[in-house]
Amino acid sequence: ETGVTQSPTHLIKTRGQQVTLRCSSQSGHNTVSWYQQALGQGPQFIFQYYREEENGRGNFPPRFSGLQFPNYSSELNVNALELDDSALYLCASSPEQGVAYEQYFGPGTRLTVT
Amino acid sequence: AQSVTQLDSQVPVFEEAPVELRCNYSSSVSVYLFWYVQYPNQGLQLLLKYLSGSTLVKGINGFEAEFNKSQTSFHLRKPSVHISDTAEYFCAVSAYNFNKFYFGSGTKLNVKP
Repeated sequence: ETGVTQSPTHLIKTRGQQVTLRCSSQSGHNTVSWYQQALGQGPQFIFQYYREEENGRGNFPPRFSGLQFPNYSSELNVNALELDDSALYLCASSPEQGVAYEQYFGPGTRLTVT
Repeated sequence: AQSVTQLDSQVPVFEEAPVELRCNYSSSVSVYLFWYVQYPNQGLQLLLKYLSGSTLVKGINGFEAEFNKSQTSFHLRKPSVHISDTAEYFCAVSAYNFNKFYFGSGTKLNVKP
């Protein structure tokens, strides 16, 4: 059974650019959540997708957007990058929506904005 | 809204000693509670969770936690730690019927030989 994978591992972007991060969910999982983890902080919930629809959102501006595809892989898009967007971005998949279901985390993508 | 406070940013402890990592939460509604562990350069792994029922929850790797509603706490304990337990530990909370997790800022457990 393949776990949650994320690509790329590391990424360097310039302020104002746009970035796309990718996540491949664990087999059979229809729910994916994205988190931002700044250095020295806990993960902050960005949003969750369930069966290709956004299913919950944290306190992030609209320039953070996502997609979930029919095969349940997903993307996180961030427009107009700011220096404060530098962080580790984690995705987590679960077999169903709802917080009672265990989330399986990927290793993350480290984004640096200069 | 919900929030989580982890009072200790770092906890040094000697191998085979007991340890307690503290977590307090704030919520106006009933909650689910979780502890996750993060090893260097890895994603988070679920240690244990409280959904309902017994307030003493046992997890993987010998960890356990106790839900205390009156004190709004969910402290993590292990009676005897190993070097391999060195990692960062995160407490998280979510309200019933909400698809959102709120994580604490983490506690770095450093187990010394």
